[in-house]
Amino acid sequence: QKEVEQNSGPLSVPEGAIASLNCTYSDRGSQSFFWYRQYSGKSPELIMFIYSNGDKEDGRFTAQLNKASQYVSLLIRDSQPSDSATYLCAVDTGRRALTFGSGTRLQVQP
Amino acid sequence: GAGVSQSPSNKVTEKGKDVELRCDPISGHTALYWYRQSLGQGLEFLIYFQGNSAPDKSGLPSDRFSAERTGGSVSTLTIQRTQQEDSAVYLCASSPAGAHGNTIYFGEGSWLTVV
Repeated sequence: QKEVEQNSGPLSVPEGAIASLNCTYSDRGSQSFFWYRQYSGKSPELIMFIYSNGDKEDGRFTAQLNKASQYVSLLIRDSQPSDSATYLCAVDTGRRALTFGSGTRLQVQP
Repeated sequence: GAGVSQSPSNKVTEKGKDVELRCDPISGHTALYWYRQSLGQGLEFLIYFQGNSAPDKSGLPSDRFSAERTGGSVSTLTIQRTQQEDSAVYLCASSPAGAHGNTIYFGEGSWLTVV
């Protein structure tokens, strides 16, 4: 079992819709959770982080964490074509550097 | 500098040659990381430096890979006797403290092609 799992996609949504990206992790001791966006040919950039159970909102982005289910998600409201990218989930297990999932490719159709 | 700086941005080398990749972290950041990303793949952890502690080298794929960090700042990743499977983008990142609860910031990467 991979430490951090994501559906590789592509996830295709129409412009203006809500995109829902999911991530599960295996280590129950994980403390912090991060979402990075990576455009093709570019390096990852941080979108959001979340430490506590529940929702955290930042503009069009909402991160959701459920530690009991070992599940973290990212919702993107009013999706735009510029949101088309690969979204990487990263987990801090407290042992070493962040562990990344393989990413979900999102395509927002105009 | 304002961000993590990596050099070279692109490197083409012949199989069997050694290469050195350099990373200059964000000023004041104590933690430095190297990751590798092959085409279309996720990020593979390589090595992690935190202050004066012994580095976590558990991600290095073989003994051809080594890294050092001088003076708690600049880091060099060295790949000896390069192989074609080493072709990837090598990403350096830094954070202001340990990985615990702190976000990491990536450089633009060094794109390595072994021919």
